[in-house]
Amino acid sequence: SQQGEEDPQALSIQEGENATMNCSYKTSINNLQWYRQNSGRGLVHLILIRSNEREKHSGRLRVTLDTSKKSSSLLITASRAADTASYFCATDASLSGAGSYQLTFGKGTKLSVIP
Amino acid sequence: DVKVTQSSRYLVKRTGEKVFLECVQDMDHENMFWYRQDPGLGLRLIYFSYDVKMKEKGDIPEGYSVSREKKERFSLILESASTNQTSMYLCAAQLVGRGRDYGYTFGSGTRLTVV
Repeated sequence: SQQGEEDPQALSIQEGENATMNCSYKTSINNLQWYRQNSGRGLVHLILIRSNEREKHSGRLRVTLDTSKKSSSLLITASRAADTASYFCATDASLSGAGSYQLTFGKGTKLSVIP
Repeated sequence: DVKVTQSSRYLVKRTGEKVFLECVQDMDHENMFWYRQDPGLGLRLIYFSYDVKMKEKGDIPEGYSVSREKKERFSLILESASTNQTSMYLCAAQLVGRGRDYGYTFGSGTRLTVV
C-alpha cells in the first residue's frame, strides 16, 4: 500500500535555484527517509529524519518533518544540473522489532535542473 | 564502500520461463528486500528477508518466490514469467542498527522484459 505521496510529480528549475519537494503520508511513522534515483539506476539513500526530529541538514539538503501534519519537505539549495533525478520519500511505519523495518515508498518527484 | 550487486542490468525472457534474479551484498547486512518499480506505481515490496532461510511476503508476492540460503545472497524467482512481470526490479540491503538509524542500500536494478 502507498504510504508517501510526493508533490509535485515533476519540477523544472534553473541551475542555482532552490528545489523544494513535499511528501505526505498517512500513518504514524518511526522515521522518514529521502532517496534519489538517477534515470534507470538504483536508489541512493540521502537522509533519514526520525519522528522526534523536526529538521535535519546534510550538505545542500535540508529536510523538515511535521508529524502533526504528516508531511515532510526536502529542500535542495543552489541546485546543479547533476541534481537532475527522481526523488522519493519513504516511511518506516512498521511495528516490527528493534532495528528491522520495511520501507514504503512514494511515487517520486522528477526534478530537472536546467543549466 | 558498501555494495549491493544485481547480476544483470537487462534481461529478456519468454513467457512461461522460470527466471532467477540474483542479488549479492558484501556488507554483512542482515536484511534484504526485493522491490519492483513501475511507472505511475512507484516501488512496491515483493518479498523481504531478515535472516538466512527466512522470508516474508511483501505487498505483491503473487507469482514470485525467494531464496536466501546464505546471508549475502537473496534470489528472486519468477516461477513462470508473464508479460505483466515486465518491470524494473530493485534489490536492497539494510543494516540492523540501534534506533533504526540506517537506510537501505540499493543495487543498480534489473530491467526485465518478458516477451
